[in-house]
Amino acid sequence: DIQMTQSPSSVSASVGDRVTIICRASQGISTWLAWYQQKPGKAPKLLIYAASRLQSGVPARFSGSGSGTDFTLTISSLQPEDFATYFCQQANSLGTFGQGTKVEIK
Amino acid sequence: QVLLVESGGGVVHPGRSLRLPCAASGFTFSSSSMHWVRQAPGKGLEWVAAISYDGIDKSYADSVKGRFTISRDNSNNTLYLQMNSLRAEDTAVYYCARDRYLWTSYYMDVWGKGTTVTVSS
Repeated sequence: DIQMTQSPSSVSASVGDRVTIICRASQGISTWLAWYQQKPGKAPKLLIYAASRLQSGVPARFSGSGSGTDFTLTISSLQPEDFATYFCQQANSLGTFGQGTKVEIK
Repeated sequence: QVLLVESGGGVVHPGRSLRLPCAASGFTFSSSSMHWVRQAPGKGLEWVAAISYDGIDKSYADSVKGRFTISRDNSNNTLYLQMNSLRAEDTAVYYCARDRYLWTSYYMDVWGKGTTVTVSS
């Protein structure tokens, strides 16, 4: 089974900051990776798929990169509505999620 | 409006069964692979099961294999999750989600609001 590890588990940041979240797969998954945003009490929302493709309607301040085992999600300028938990998910073999990264207000 | 609405959640004793329906509307259900994903209280997301657009191909997480069955009724635009031999660790919010593609890519672009299942004696 493919394991997904995110770091950090939480990050404190201010509005306007650049935030980077890392996701590492236990084995190579090419670019079979997605990123989701989840706010408390809400369903997840797809942000990025195929490692770097922006889902329709998602602001361009979100970007994804990486291939193989190492991936990043970057928020270029954090907005108030971006405070949430972010999950990576591998799509190479079934759909394992990472444990999540909580982006909190500094 | 693209919509997924789960129902059927509740409190159930360990070892019992429960079936969760998910009603789809606003898109061509028969042209989408579908998934169930769950989230235990205070925990992360766990993919549970997937089914191809035509219902032929199914896949399951190891944690539910042999106990849960995913199915669909394309004539009624409904996805199902039959859960048998329920355990305390199955307690979670269960989401149904649409695959972004006709084939099962595991990228989920539309989600329901979820239904809560509590397994407790």
